[in-house]
Amino acid sequence: QQPVQSPQAVILREGEDAVINCSSSKALYSVHWYRQKHGEAPVFLMILLKGGEQKGHEKISASFNEKKQQSSLYLTASQLSYSGTYFCGTETGNQTGANNLFFGTGTRLTVIP
Amino acid sequence: NAGVTQTPKFQVLKTGQSMTLQCAQDMNHNSMYWYRQDPGMGLRLIYYSASEGTTDKGEVPNGYNVSRLNKREFSLRLESAAPSQTSVYFCASAYWGPGGGYTFGSGTRLTVV
Repeated sequence: QQPVQSPQAVILREGEDAVINCSSSKALYSVHWYRQKHGEAPVFLMILLKGGEQKGHEKISASFNEKKQQSSLYLTASQLSYSGTYFCGTETGNQTGANNLFFGTGTRLTVIP
Repeated sequence: NAGVTQTPKFQVLKTGQSMTLQCAQDMNHNSMYWYRQDPGMGLRLIYYSASEGTTDKGEVPNGYNVSRLNKREFSLRLESAAPSQTSVYFCASAYWGPGGGYTFGSGTRLTVV
């Protein structure tokens, strides 16, 4: 049930944009996005519920296409502080909290000056 | 507000030794989780507790046991440590409401020699 993330790694210059994708073979109820900096714990960014919702967090936004069981994370005008590994976590089932999250293997994002 | 507190932060065990990883949260969350993180594998669920008094197996439960001591505390026990259990362990708790997501502890880096 582990979702598939792409790309595995990306290098950006400050100010550039990036898209990280997450797809599942299972019907999804929600998708979470987390960012983890080296040696630290993952930090929650946002949750998207089924319904094609799009949300934003600073200059980071995400979309969720429930028909395709896919979510994308958009990072615009990247900053050095955006560097880290991004994980999507997917929840299957029909009710938030009734099922657990399965995490992708992560996308390592490096922003350089 | 401490969030999720894990102890210890580092531990080295010899094969066959036992130990308990402690986790406590002060956010009044119902659900608590134990994950392990290995390079290239993402986060994999070991055990979870949807609410006080209940525990269930996750993806990789073999070699582990858990105890949900009360609403705040959720411990993970390794009865007979093996080198394959060398990993970083994260405890998390969750608020399953609007905008909710996982809050992770700072992690325990365990090495089994």
